[in-house]
Amino acid sequence: GAGVSQSPSNKVTEKGKDVELRCDPISGHTALYWYRQSLGQGLEFLIYFQGNSAPDKSGLPSDRFSAERTGGSVSTLTIQRTQQEDSAVYLCASSGATGRTYNEQFFGPGTRLTVL
Amino acid sequence: KNQVEQSPQSLIILEGKNCTLQCNYTVSPFSNLRWYKQDTGRGPVSLTIMTFSENTKSNGRYTATLDADTKQSSLHITASQLSDSASYICVVRTSGGSYIPTFGRGTSLIVHP
Repeated sequence: GAGVSQSPSNKVTEKGKDVELRCDPISGHTALYWYRQSLGQGLEFLIYFQGNSAPDKSGLPSDRFSAERTGGSVSTLTIQRTQQEDSAVYLCASSGATGRTYNEQFFGPGTRLTVL
Repeated sequence: KNQVEQSPQSLIILEGKNCTLQCNYTVSPFSNLRWYKQDTGRGPVSLTIMTFSENTKSNGRYTATLDADTKQSSLHITASQLSDSASYICVVRTSGGSYIPTFGRGTSLIVHP
């Protein structure tokens, strides 16, 4: 079946511009995570959605970052007024609801964001 | 603070050789530990999950071990292949109410012919 998809695969933008990154999770998965992966660094948690519950935004690095999940499916990560330090690969992952701590996260291929 | 430390940071081996990657964690209370493989330009893919009661688990040429007392895990790769070249990431989850995993920085493995 279809896995997690992300778009665009690559995004180059100018400093100060806004960008939107999209994630399509696996159908039926209620949990959705966004992560940021900088070169040579581990995955940095950004935000977590679970069903209709309020999202866990504790990982968002600044108020320039926001995310939405519409209809419990597709999610969009928005970065306003991009800065060069925002350059990274943004990964999305989804997982099922049952036994949440044991659920495997299925990752998308990521969006590589470059801020000039 | 929950942490996951991996070693070595990078490793180069010849095709056909074995290698072992290490993961130490301080996550508490412990729920489970996963090893992921991340190919260049791709998202991580789970290789195996270890729970508290499990000591060893194999997935083909990959064998993971867990010592919950010392909070250490290892991933052993047997008879390495060129396709094993990737980053291997150790991820630990807590049973303490948070659904946010703790990720290690990964070990970058390069297998040379």
